[in-house]
Amino acid sequence: EPEVTQTPSHQVTQMGQEVILRCVPISNHLYFYWYRQILGQKVEFLVSFYNNEISEKSEIFDDQFSVERPDGSNFTLKIRSTKLEDSAMYFCASSYLLDSEHGYTFGSGTRLTVV
Amino acid sequence: SQQGEEDPQALSIQEGENATMNCSYKTSINNLQWYRQNSGRGLVHLILIRSNEREKHSGRLRVTLDTSKKSSSLLITASRAADTASYFCATPGGSTLGRLYFGRGTQLTVWP
Repeated sequence: EPEVTQTPSHQVTQMGQEVILRCVPISNHLYFYWYRQILGQKVEFLVSFYNNEISEKSEIFDDQFSVERPDGSNFTLKIRSTKLEDSAMYFCASSYLLDSEHGYTFGSGTRLTVV
Repeated sequence: SQQGEEDPQALSIQEGENATMNCSYKTSINNLQWYRQNSGRGLVHLILIRSNEREKHSGRLRVTLDTSKKSSSLLITASRAADTASYFCATPGGSTLGRLYFGRGTQLTVWP
């Protein structure tokens, strides 16, 4: 069963530092996403990416955030200057279509703790 | 808010019983998805039902969709302890570009 792989599984960083969260989506998928889940809260959309550009971004996805697909396999989320409120579980997801019967395939997440 | 909202927030049953979770949403949708999340893990897609479908089955899962009431239900039959997890409905809302809105989820506990 193909998987979305995320690294690292845990990341602790100091406030103000830059972090890069990495994801390897499923190889034949065309759409890529980042979501986050603050402890005890809803899963929130951050950004969708298709054809090497951002398709949609949420209000959360401000100038501190950026995404990149530097090669044919990796998909990264960068937070330029982390804040305490960025502490959350970050999930990468991918899909072949926007409304595939298989939905979105999510990775296991990166738990980011900003101290 | 465009998000789906699940009901109940928590459900506790014995193995072998059926579990029913409900989801309500606010905007027109072209599909609704159900996901499962084990504690501290990623979301796993369970089933997608399109707006022109009323009911869909997948193994022990049965999903219904009532677009007139803007509601969906997920039924897990003959539940097992391994079904213990949080269950979320997700809708595209008005977005056509990949954004999904998730509810707060139903925490299902199945006791052996």
